[in-house]
Amino acid sequence: EPEVTQTPSHQVTQMGQEVILRCVPISNHLYFYWYRQILGQKVEFLVSFYNNEISEKSEIFDDQFSVERPDGSNFTLKIRSTKLEDSAMYFCASSDVSGHSSYEQYFGPGTRLTVT
Amino acid sequence: AQTVTQSQPEMSVQEAETVTLSCTYDTSESDYYLFWYKQPPSRQMILVIRQEAYKQQNATENRFSVNFQKAAKSFSLKISDSQLGDAAMYFCAQIIGGSNYKLTFGKGTLLTVNP
Repeated sequence: EPEVTQTPSHQVTQMGQEVILRCVPISNHLYFYWYRQILGQKVEFLVSFYNNEISEKSEIFDDQFSVERPDGSNFTLKIRSTKLEDSAMYFCASSDVSGHSSYEQYFGPGTRLTVT
Repeated sequence: AQTVTQSQPEMSVQEAETVTLSCTYDTSESDYYLFWYKQPPSRQMILVIRQEAYKQQNATENRFSVNFQKAAKSFSLKISDSQLGDAAMYFCAQIIGGSNYKLTFGKGTLLTVNP
C-alpha cells in the first residue's frame, strides 16, 4: 500500500539555524499539507499546497516558514531561523481530492524537531 | 471558523468492553467530512473511520462505529470489544468540502485500556 514518507525522523537543531523537513507524498495525490503538533497538544494546520502553490496557510505559518515542491516527488518545509517554540512533531499529509474521494488525508510518520 | 470539541481529555475501558468517545463540531457549511484519527505512542496518525455529512447511515469499520447526529453536530466514536492495542490518543477532525480541505482537529481523548 502506498504511504507518505518523511525524513528525518528526528532533527535536533540550535536556535537560529535553518532546517528543512522532507516529505514524499503518495505519487498520484494532488494536495499536500503540513501540520504541527506541540507535545501534549492538538494537531494544528500549517499550510496546504496545490498546483505548485500555497492554497491556504494558517496564522502560524509566518515568514520564517516556506514550502516547496522542488521536483516531482518531494515536498519540503523550511524553517528559516528556528525558535525554541518551533519544537514539535511536524506531519506531512497528502490527499487525492477527486470527485469520488472522501478527502481522506494520509499522514507520514512525522519528524520530531527539537530546537535547543 | 470551524471548531471541533472533544470534552473528554481521558477515558478508560476494560478490555473486551465498549467505550464511546464524544466529539462535537461547529460549522455552518452543509458539505463537510468528519474523521477519527488514532495516535498511538509512536505518534503516527492513523485514520480510524470517516463519515460524509451527506450520508445518513453511520459509518462502521469492524469494531469501530460512529453515531453521527447531524442536527446536534455530534460525532461520537464507539469502540466495541476493546483491545489493549486500542490504547492511544484519539482525535476527532473535520474537513469542509470545497475549501482547501485542511483538517481541523479537536484536542484529543487519551484512551486507556485496562486488562
